[in-house]
Amino acid sequence: SYELTQPPSVSVSPGQTARITCSGDALPKKYAYWYQQKSGQAPVLVIYEDSKRPSGIPERFSGSSSGTMATLTISGAQVEDEADYYCYSTDSSGNQNVFGTGTKVTVL
Amino acid sequence: QVQLVESGGGVVQPGRSLRLSCAASGFTFSSYGMHWVRQAPGKGLEWVAVIWYDGSNKYYADSVKGRFTISRDNSKNTLYLQMNSLRAEDTAVYYCARDVIAALGPWGQGTLVTVSS
Repeated sequence: SYELTQPPSVSVSPGQTARITCSGDALPKKYAYWYQQKSGQAPVLVIYEDSKRPSGIPERFSGSSSGTMATLTISGAQVEDEADYYCYSTDSSGNQNVFGTGTKVTVL
Repeated sequence: QVQLVESGGGVVQPGRSLRLSCAASGFTFSSYGMHWVRQAPGKGLEWVAVIWYDGSNKYYADSVKGRFTISRDNSKNTLYLQMNSLRAEDTAVYYCARDVIAALGPWGQGTLVTVSS
């Protein structure tokens, strides 16, 4: 089955830049989406279609995709950005959706 | 505002069945595809199933195919997940989420399913 691979954890100091990668074979042809999940809460969409930001999401969140890798960047990370982040996409058939393995972002 | 409220979770023995519901409000339910996503305790998110806005197409994760059935009643603004032959590894919080151009959002707050003897 299709898999999306993320690093387990990323640590960054407040105000610095955090980058989270997501690797998948179908990403050259399929969009990546990014979700933020804070402890005890439902996930929230922070990036859609590789690089678009929903309304209400701070500008410090940005996304990009190149080849088999998508990247979520948090520029000037804040303490409130501490959360688990998941990429999401679909396989080449478009019928099997999948979440990445998840990345815990620590800001301290 | 858009609201999704899951219900139907609980404790169930292995091999038994359970049906989850997701009540939608604040938007035209019949115009959107809907998903179920689950999260085992302390684990990551796992996509479970999707149903198109009119129920014409349904797709499942390999882990639940043949055991779970997603359905909807657009007249009641409600999404369902029928779960049969439950296993311990199905223990999770189950979320429903609206599909907006393939993105999931918003999500409900989830309902916990525990499969245990």
